[in-house]
Amino acid sequence: GAVVSQHPSWVICKSGTSVKIECRSLDFQATTMFWYRQFPKQSLMLMATSNEGSKATYEQGVEKDKFLINHASLTLSTLTVTSAHPEDSSFYICSARDRGPPYEQYFGPGTRLTVT
Amino acid sequence: AQSVTQPDIHITVSEGASLELRCNYSYGATPYLFWYVQSPGQGLQLLLKYFSGDTLVQGIKGFEAEFKRSQSSFNLRKPSVHWSDAAEYFCAVGVISNFGNEKLTFGTGTRLTIIP
Repeated sequence: GAVVSQHPSWVICKSGTSVKIECRSLDFQATTMFWYRQFPKQSLMLMATSNEGSKATYEQGVEKDKFLINHASLTLSTLTVTSAHPEDSSFYICSARDRGPPYEQYFGPGTRLTVT
Repeated sequence: AQSVTQPDIHITVSEGASLELRCNYSYGATPYLFWYVQSPGQGLQLLLKYFSGDTLVQGIKGFEAEFKRSQSSFNLRKPSVHWSDAAEYFCAVGVISNFGNEKLTFGTGTRLTIIP
């Protein structure tokens, strides 16, 4: 089956620094990748959608200058949290889809970000 | 706007007992509906999906769900749960965003605990 990996699985950073999270599709070409944020005991909230080679489209309320998304290839997307603050601490999950059935996304295992 | 409601935050059932997790959605068009399971430290795994046709859909791990348009529901069922079914379950509806992208809107999840 389609596998999506994320790296790192967890990261701790100091307030004010930036951190990059990678999302890779291992055995398929991801024409579209998605980034979600999940707060404890809450649902997944879509942050942005990125199509390979295009700028990401951000959901309302998501700061595009703070959460930089790059989808430079068909197997890799990155999310950079710039000038991180404690309120950015969360579980970040990526997903990817190919040209398969509508809406079918394959999810990565997530990255736990803690900002101290 | 679309929304998904999972009324039960936490459900506890005995191993071997039957299970039903509730999901109600609000969406103006014909919905694409999904159930995902999330185990600790793992990504979301697709259990089953409904696009059209037979309103009773079968999924992996012995799960099934029934789409009832009149009730705007898509409840997940399993006749006999196993201890390994303990996890978080998310219902989702596929919609078209304002940008014309496909996106998934998730419910808040139901945490399933299995007791011996």
